[in-house]
Amino acid sequence: GQNIDQPTEMTATEGAIVQINCTYQTSGFNGLFWYQQHAGEAPTFLSYNVLDGLEEKGRFSSFLSRSKGYSYLLLKELQMKDSASYLCAVRDLVDSNYQLIWGAGTKLIIKP
Amino acid sequence: DGGITQSPKYLFRKEGQNVTLSCEQNLNHDAMYWYRQDPGQGLRLIYYSQIVNDFQKGDIAEGYSVSREKKESFPLTVTSAQKNPTAFYLCASNRDKGKNTQYFGPGTRLTVL
Repeated sequence: GQNIDQPTEMTATEGAIVQINCTYQTSGFNGLFWYQQHAGEAPTFLSYNVLDGLEEKGRFSSFLSRSKGYSYLLLKELQMKDSASYLCAVRDLVDSNYQLIWGAGTKLIIKP
Repeated sequence: DGGITQSPKYLFRKEGQNVTLSCEQNLNHDAMYWYRQDPGQGLRLIYYSQIVNDFQKGDIAEGYSVSREKKESFPLTVTSAQKNPTAFYLCASNRDKGKNTQYFGPGTRLTVL
């Protein structure tokens, strides 16, 4: 079946580094997305991985290992505005249709 | 500016009433989606459409209906048959029949009293 797991909540300190993990099981893996969602707002796109390795974009990096069904989002130099939920989503290709399978999200709390 | 709009942001309805949520995009995207988000849960797909005049049920389509008469518009009707309609509803769209990144509208929070 299809399944995505992420921690429910994490806490980190302003200025520090945090790693949010995501493990998945899907039948037709075709890429993995990370989105940021502030409370009461829509998700906004952060990163996309389809090949193994690390993608870096400013303070945010995302890593993928397809053989392990594993990804992480790395946030550096944490700022208070990074307090949000981080959603992991896997694109699955089933019967020629692309679908996004969503994790429940990880709520990140940043403390001063 | 190009983007996805949803209206209204907050909506209140009495139990037993149908309500239609608006979603419009001017990004020239082929595919459009409706999701429902409840606290502590991931996004759940209600309906999606890859081309005009065609749409498919998602995982939780019961109690909902949609139409896709124009490329820019994909309204969602929450019917009285939906047993627990209070939720945050998100509309999204992308290019190439779903292959590319999905972008979201601001969402509509529906509360049924």
